[in-house]
Amino acid sequence: QVHLVESGGGVVQPGRSLRLSCAASGFIFSNYAMHWVRQAPGKGPEWVAAMWYDDGSNEFYADSVKGRFTISRDNSKNTLFLQMNSLTHGDTAVYYCARPRQPYLDTGLAHWGQGTLVTVSS
Amino acid sequence: EIVMTQSPATLSVSPGERATLSCRASQSVRSNLAWYQQKPGQAPRLLMYGASTRASGLPARFSGSGSETEFTLIISSLQSEDFAVYYCQQYNNWPRTFGQGTKVEI
Repeated sequence: QVHLVESGGGVVQPGRSLRLSCAASGFIFSNYAMHWVRQAPGKGPEWVAAMWYDDGSNEFYADSVKGRFTISRDNSKNTLFLQMNSLTHGDTAVYYCARPRQPYLDTGLAHWGQGTLVTVSS
Repeated sequence: EIVMTQSPATLSVSPGERATLSCRASQSVRSNLAWYQQKPGQAPRLLMYGASTRASGLPARFSGSGSETEFTLIISSLQSEDFAVYYCQQYNNWPRTFGQGTKVEI
């Protein structure tokens, strides 16, 4: 079955960087677009970034993270990454990686990891 | 970016009653609209995609409708496990965007 496991969260000072990973299993990773979605404490989900299935030609970002965050993937290792730079208090959230229902398309996020908590605090 | 607006923010209903949740997009998203359910401490769960297609295993008491800018999720007879927060999300345009949620409570 589909399994997504995020890691790399923790407490970080404002202005610093953090890199999140999402290890995927149970499906052909290279055939799927992959997303990062975050959820601040007590708030709703906020879509963060996505990368198309073809290994880097298409990346998409929320305005709130554009220029600071970079999504990438290693299809040989079935792993999705999120490099987060210049972190601010507003980036404090649980970060989920998520996979769409179908390969090659983006039609609703059917599979989610358990999330990793990022806390930006001095 | 497309702004998704959900109403009401909170819906108070009793088990067995019908719940109607609304989602409005600031511009057309065609039928590229998904609904999610989230319970405390859990990741969101996909309920509906294509505005009206139930995800695998979803009970028939859930139904979705709408297109372009106006969407509705109906739970025909609320069960205890349906009390949760519901979010809509458009996947027609980048960036993808979620609504702020409707909490369905007793």
